[in-house]
Amino acid sequence: QKEVEQNSGPLSVPEGAIASLNCTYSDRGSQSFFWYRQYSGKSPELIMFIYSNGDKEDGRFTAQLNKASQYVSLLIRDSQPSDSATYLCAVLVSGTYKYIFGTGTRLKVLA
Amino acid sequence: DVKVTQSSRYLVKRTGEKVFLECVQDMDHENMFWYRQDPGLGLRLIYFSYDVKMKEKGDIPEGYSVSREKKERFSLILESASTNQTSMYLCASSWKDNSPLHFGNGTRLTVT
Repeated sequence: QKEVEQNSGPLSVPEGAIASLNCTYSDRGSQSFFWYRQYSGKSPELIMFIYSNGDKEDGRFTAQLNKASQYVSLLIRDSQPSDSATYLCAVLVSGTYKYIFGTGTRLKVLA
Repeated sequence: DVKVTQSSRYLVKRTGEKVFLECVQDMDHENMFWYRQDPGLGLRLIYFSYDVKMKEKGDIPEGYSVSREKKERFSLILESASTNQTSMYLCASSWKDNSPLHFGNGTRLTVT
């Protein structure tokens, strides 16, 4: 069974700080990785996707991928209270159509 | 922007009823998916479809079936609803094989 692991949190950071969210995955052949934000009672919303090793930046968000360590992370710079949500990591299992999700990390940004 | 529309936001059904959850996407996406989300268990894949009339079982297909007669529409059917099917149901679509999933607003189903 392929797995995606995330620390459930809550991760609390002060407003304006950098929030670092981490995810590990078990399928060494996976090539596609995604981060979603989910507010309470709402559906997941795509933030970023990354396919290559290294960093990918989009505004205040940076996704980092290290395939050798089977590790993907999301950095949120200048965190705002509106960033308070659960962040889901998803991995596309190699050779399949299956996207496996972690159970999410709850982020709280304190004003 | 991709739009994935689920027909109902909230549903309450009785045990034993046949339940239909409808999902429509407007971006000509090839792939469509049904997940359920439960506290502590995360999102679990029920069924997916990579083409019209094609379907594949996910990790928890028992008690469910699906229908994809047209490319834009993917229906989830609970043949005989049970209380353990009370959950948030999420439909998603993706353009091609390694593209991101785009989710609908979800249907919160309660079976009493």
